[in-house]
Amino acid sequence: GQNIDQPTEMTATEGAIVQINCTYQTSGFNGLFWYQQHAGEAPTFLSYNVLDGLEEKGRFSSFLSRSKGYSYLLLKELQMKDSASYLCAVREDSGYSTLTFGKGTMLLVSP
Amino acid sequence: DTAVSQTPKYLVTQMGNDKSIKCEQNLGHDTMYWYKQDSKKFLKIMFSYNNKELIINETVPNRFSPKSPDKAHLNLHINSLELGDSAVYFCASSTRDRATDTQYFGPGTRLTVL
Repeated sequence: GQNIDQPTEMTATEGAIVQINCTYQTSGFNGLFWYQQHAGEAPTFLSYNVLDGLEEKGRFSSFLSRSKGYSYLLLKELQMKDSASYLCAVREDSGYSTLTFGKGTMLLVSP
Repeated sequence: DTAVSQTPKYLVTQMGNDKSIKCEQNLGHDTMYWYKQDSKKFLKIMFSYNNKELIINETVPNRFSPKSPDKAHLNLHINSLELGDSAVYFCASSTRDRATDTQYFGPGTRLTVL
């Protein structure tokens, strides 16, 4: 089984940088995903880490430390449209791409 | 042009009724999923199909029955609907190649049971 923990809510201001943390415990780790979900919409893929280190994609970066069971999503130059829920999801080494999602972090960006 | 589509988008029904939700993907993926997202926004896997075969069946009441007529479609039939079934149901699809198996989600079906 898996246990995934992330903060429930965060607030930040436009133009700032915010870091959303995710910790996990799993019996067979095989990748960590971050998804963004705007209210009333589907989750959309942001990033994927399977090896330790930082993956950068424009304003968004994601970091993974497998030994610590820890990941973070870093959002730079925040914009109002970044207000959304950010979901951390872990894939287990089960042979199939099954994701277990955390409960999501609601980010509110204010002017 | 839509990658993963679901119908209907909204479904309001009475307790005890039977309803179906349809999902189709045009991405050429061979694995499809159903997720349930409750009022607290917790997204939980229900079923997973690979090439029309059930591969994952989480602890879900047997009132829920997925059906996959072909690998581009995965429908969800729910019998004897209960108040607790009210949620948003998301369909998703992916490849089986670990290098490219990002899951893509449909727009969701908001089910309200009265």
